[in-house]
Amino acid sequence: GIQVEQSPPDLILQEGANSTLRCNFSDSVNNLQWFHQNPWGQLINLFYIPSGTKQNGRLSATTVATERYSLLYISSSQTTDSGVYFCAVGAQGGSEKLVFGKGMKLTVNP
Amino acid sequence: EAGVTQSPTHLIKTRGQQATLRCSPISGHTSVYWYQQALGLGLQFLLWYDEGEERNRGNFPPRFSGRQFPNYSSELNVNALELEDSALYLCASSLAPGPGQYFGPGTRLTVT
Repeated sequence: GIQVEQSPPDLILQEGANSTLRCNFSDSVNNLQWFHQNPWGQLINLFYIPSGTKQNGRLSATTVATERYSLLYISSSQTTDSGVYFCAVGAQGGSEKLVFGKGMKLTVNP
Repeated sequence: EAGVTQSPTHLIKTRGQQATLRCSPISGHTSVYWYQQALGLGLQFLLWYDEGEERNRGNFPPRFSGRQFPNYSSELNVNALELEDSALYLCASSLAPGPGQYFGPGTRLTVT
């Protein structure tokens, strides 16, 4: 099945810094979502981005489907950005089944 | 617009018992998905229901089952509970099968 790798596994930042999270996937996808898991476990949708670029406030994401990777950018990080970020993909012909990466734990210190 | 809701928030069961978890999708969404997040195993796809039918299941034993009701809500049943079933169970829904899944707050199941 499709493999999803996220990097880095952990990241510690000072408030105000920028960061880039990377997601590599092993096969063609027609579904790619980025999530932020809050401390209570709920997955918060950040982006649905199987290709192209999107921006939402301080967050933006880019997926280059032909090269099988996606990037999540967080600018001017805040302590509330702390948590675990997941990339999840749905393979072509099976996009209803999301395959998750292992997540990236972000800690933003004041 | 209300999001995906799940109940109960927490559930404590004894090994061998049965657990029933419930999920209500976003209004208008017909596809419902169940995922398990167990410690050390990450997030894994469990089941997908669409229009009342089970459409796909992940690599889980048959004691994990469920159904989708005519109002598109869903329940997940776990029979003969084992200690390793302790996990956060997340439900998601989407307007159409696949893209744009929205997740509920989860049910934390503890098996003792």
